[in-house]
Amino acid sequence: SQTIHQWPATLVQPVGSPLSLECTVEGTSNPNLYWYRQAAGRGLQLLFYSVGIGQISSEVPQNLSASRPQDRQFILSSKKLLLSDSGFYLCAWSEVGNTIYFGEGSWLTVV
Amino acid sequence: QKEVEQDPGPLSVPEGAIVSLNCTYSNSAFQYFMWYRQYSRKGPELLMYTYSSGNKEDGRFTAQVDKSSKYISLFIRDSQPSDSATYLCAMIRQGAQKLVFGQGTRLTINP
Repeated sequence: SQTIHQWPATLVQPVGSPLSLECTVEGTSNPNLYWYRQAAGRGLQLLFYSVGIGQISSEVPQNLSASRPQDRQFILSSKKLLLSDSGFYLCAWSEVGNTIYFGEGSWLTVV
Repeated sequence: QKEVEQDPGPLSVPEGAIVSLNCTYSNSAFQYFMWYRQYSRKGPELLMYTYSSGNKEDGRFTAQVDKSSKYISLFIRDSQPSDSATYLCAMIRQGAQKLVFGQGTRLTINP
């Protein structure tokens, strides 16, 4: 069966520091991969998605970037965090693009 | 106008009640419809998945899709306190890569 791992689960970072969130999927090949953000009390905002290695589509211009160095690995990064980057970050995957499965999420607090 | 509209609630009902959660949408090209359940500080989990119009039942949960009215519903029978969560509807066109989510409805079942 397929599983998705996302880490770290919680982090507190100062303004201006870098960020790296990692996500890996097991039990599938060539999945679509997604990064979402969920601000407190708000809906899901799609940040990036990828249909293959090195292929990244950005949905919202912002202080973040994504990379897919391997088939089942997806990384969300920032060079300098802003207070507004705080939120709940979710990695997700799909096989055929018609439904997606989420990881447990990463809580980021920028202080 | 948002592509998918979902009343954010909050919705509070007594244990044992029948709960009805709803979403409306504007894009008639949507063909796949999903409901996710999200517990506090956790990633959303796929609850129900339906294709095109009709009903689908799984235990205490029933998903309905009315494409002519562009309206989907999730019914929860014999609601339990453990059903307290945020419920998100989502939908996607055939061949698309990205789901469109509703804002989520926060549900509380009171013992």
